[in-house]
Amino acid sequence: GESVGLHLPTLSVQEGDNSIINCAYSNSASDYFIWYKQESGKGPQFIIDIRSNMDKRQGQRVTVLLNKTVKHLSLQIAATQPGDSAVYFCAENIGNTDKLIFGTGTRLQVFP
Amino acid sequence: DSGVTQTPKHLITATGQRVTLRCSPRSGDLSVYWYQQSLDQGLQFLIQYYNGEERAKGNILERFSAQQFPDLHSELNLSSLELGDSALYFCASSVEGGNQPQHFGDGTRLSIL
Repeated sequence: GESVGLHLPTLSVQEGDNSIINCAYSNSASDYFIWYKQESGKGPQFIIDIRSNMDKRQGQRVTVLLNKTVKHLSLQIAATQPGDSAVYFCAENIGNTDKLIFGTGTRLQVFP
Repeated sequence: DSGVTQTPKHLITATGQRVTLRCSPRSGDLSVYWYQQSLDQGLQFLIQYYNGEERAKGNILERFSAQQFPDLHSELNLSSLELGDSALYFCASSVEGGNQPQHFGDGTRLSIL
C-alpha cells in the first residue's frame, strides 16, 4: 500500500494505552469537523464528527474534543489496539460549503 | 466497507493521455465528491456534484472534468495527463451535502509514466 505522506508526524503508543492525536484547524468560520482513519491502500474511513456548537463528543472508544478559542481539535482513542495503527486526518468544513479541508495527518503506530 | 465503489483500482498510462475514473456512491447518497491525494499535497478537494448538478468546486485543473449521471454514479475525466497528475483519486459520497460525514471509496491509483 501507499504511504500517505513520507514526513508525517508520528505518534507511537503501547498497546492498551490511550492515544491523543491533535489537530490545529485554520478557519474560525469552520463549523463542522470530522476525524478520519486511513489504513494503507484504503480510503479514509469516517470515525467521528462534531459540530461547532459542541465541545465534546464520544463514540465507541473514541472522544473528540473541540476548543474553538484556540482552533484546536483532538481525537482520543482509549485502550489503543494494533488495529488502530493508521494515519489519522482531521477535516474541517467551512460554513456549510460542502468541501472538506483536510489536515496533513498523523501516523499512529501501536507497539506491543 | 464504506459502500462507495471506485473503478479501476489502478491505472497506468502515459503523458498526454486521457483517462476516466468511475465512482458509484452509497445507496441513497445524492452527493458525490472527488479528492486527489498526493504525497506532497495531502487530500485536496476537487469537485462536488449533488443530484446531477455541480455544487462546489475546489482546485480542479481545467484539464479535469467530472459529471454525475441520472443513476447518481459519477465520472472524473483527466486529460492531457502530466507526470504530476500521478496520485490517488478518491470519491466520497454523502446523503445530501453540507455538514454531514462523507464516506470514501478505496480510490484509484493513477500512475503516469
